[in-house]
Amino acid sequence: KQEVTQIPAALSVPEGENLVLNCSFTDSAIYNLQWFRQDPGKGLTSLLLIQSSQREQTSGRLNASLDKSSGRSTLYIAASQPGDSATYLCARMDSNSGYALNFGKGTSLLVTP
Amino acid sequence: GAVVSQHPSWVICKSGTSVKIECRSLDFQATTMFWYRQFPKQSLMLMATSNEGSKATYEQGVEKDKFLINHASLTLSTLTVTSAHPEDSSFYICSAPDFVGGPLHFGNGTRLTVT
Repeated sequence: KQEVTQIPAALSVPEGENLVLNCSFTDSAIYNLQWFRQDPGKGLTSLLLIQSSQREQTSGRLNASLDKSSGRSTLYIAASQPGDSATYLCARMDSNSGYALNFGKGTSLLVTP
Repeated sequence: GAVVSQHPSWVICKSGTSVKIECRSLDFQATTMFWYRQFPKQSLMLMATSNEGSKATYEQGVEKDKFLINHASLTLSTLTVTSAHPEDSSFYICSAPDFVGGPLHFGNGTRLTVT
């Protein structure tokens, strides 16, 4: 099974900082990669989806990049706010796994006022 | 946008009983639905792939006789946890694409507690 690794497991930053969350995966033959946000005890909120043919996607203060050759994706959050505190999950989709998503363990982010 | 509705959002049941969780695609047809499970402070793990009109495909280590999946229509898949035990307590969440290879749309999840 393809592995998805997220570093760091937890991160605490003061409000206003820019930060980067990392995701790495084995096998470059991915179909797409998605970033999600999960609040405690809640479901998933889709943030960004990058197709395998794309290098990055942007939405507001969020920017996600994809480097298939190195097996890496990063989620960049600009000017962090306390409301950004949540767990961020990276997930890859493979065509050979029936187009299911394979998730990393997530990065728990705390943005302090 | 595509919406997936899942219910109940939470359920408490006694050990030995069965619990059914429903997952509906509200504004699109889903030939495939994915069922995930998430234990506390863990990530989402794929349990099974539900296929409309055919048998579900289970991931390694998931007991198909314990976690019964039915996908009888293009808008409804159900997961029944049979003879539930405390170790089955978890967060169950379903998802579906509105086209093959498309982004997955997730339900809000079901928090199951078995006492």
